[in-house]
Amino acid sequence: AQSVTQLGSHVSVSEGALVLLRCNYSSSVPPYLFWYVQYPNQGLQLLLKYTSAATLVKGINGFEAEFKKSETSFHLTKPSAHMSDAAEYFCAVSSPYSSASKIIFGSGTRLSIRP
Amino acid sequence: GAVVSQHPSWVICKSGTSVKIECRSLDFQATTMFWYRQFPKQSLMLMATSNEGSKATYEQGVEKDKFLINHASLTLSTLTVTSAHPEDSSFYICSARYLAGAGTGELFFGEGSRLTVL
Repeated sequence: AQSVTQLGSHVSVSEGALVLLRCNYSSSVPPYLFWYVQYPNQGLQLLLKYTSAATLVKGINGFEAEFKKSETSFHLTKPSAHMSDAAEYFCAVSSPYSSASKIIFGSGTRLSIRP
Repeated sequence: GAVVSQHPSWVICKSGTSVKIECRSLDFQATTMFWYRQFPKQSLMLMATSNEGSKATYEQGVEKDKFLINHASLTLSTLTVTSAHPEDSSFYICSARYLAGAGTGELFFGEGSRLTVL
């Protein structure tokens, strides 16, 4: 079975500050990992994904995440927060071994940006 | 990029009526679509996996007679909430797996449909 745990349901940072959203995964097989962003009353947009290539993954809007197998982590970072980054962020995991594999989502972290 | 569209975006209905939500992959074929339900300030809960031409696979605890899923073509899946009640009010989101991207597991999500049952 696979699962993800997002530490912190709400993170607040000042505009221009570092953004760090934490995600730890559990998987019996090498996982695929994703970060999605959701704005109010909208669907999900993929920020980035790890699919067993480079461990440091760069995504859209200046976000990046690093896959650390030893720590079973896939934390999302951005060097300098913008007001437009305020949204809900979801970490997710799936298995690469089945084309019908489900994606399991974490509980989400709401990111607030202070002026 | 791949686009998934849901319709309607918002729907309000009376208790006891049935509501159909459509999920379309606009520029790609999707053999597998997923339906999620999201309560306010919560994560997405997978309801069922919809496979083109076959019966949907429901997650434990999801009533298949309540939430009817049909995946009649490679670009359309529908979710029908039958005899809706206020507790069915929620944000429903569909996603589709890009056929060529099956190996990466990436999903593309619709905009979501907010159902309010009075």
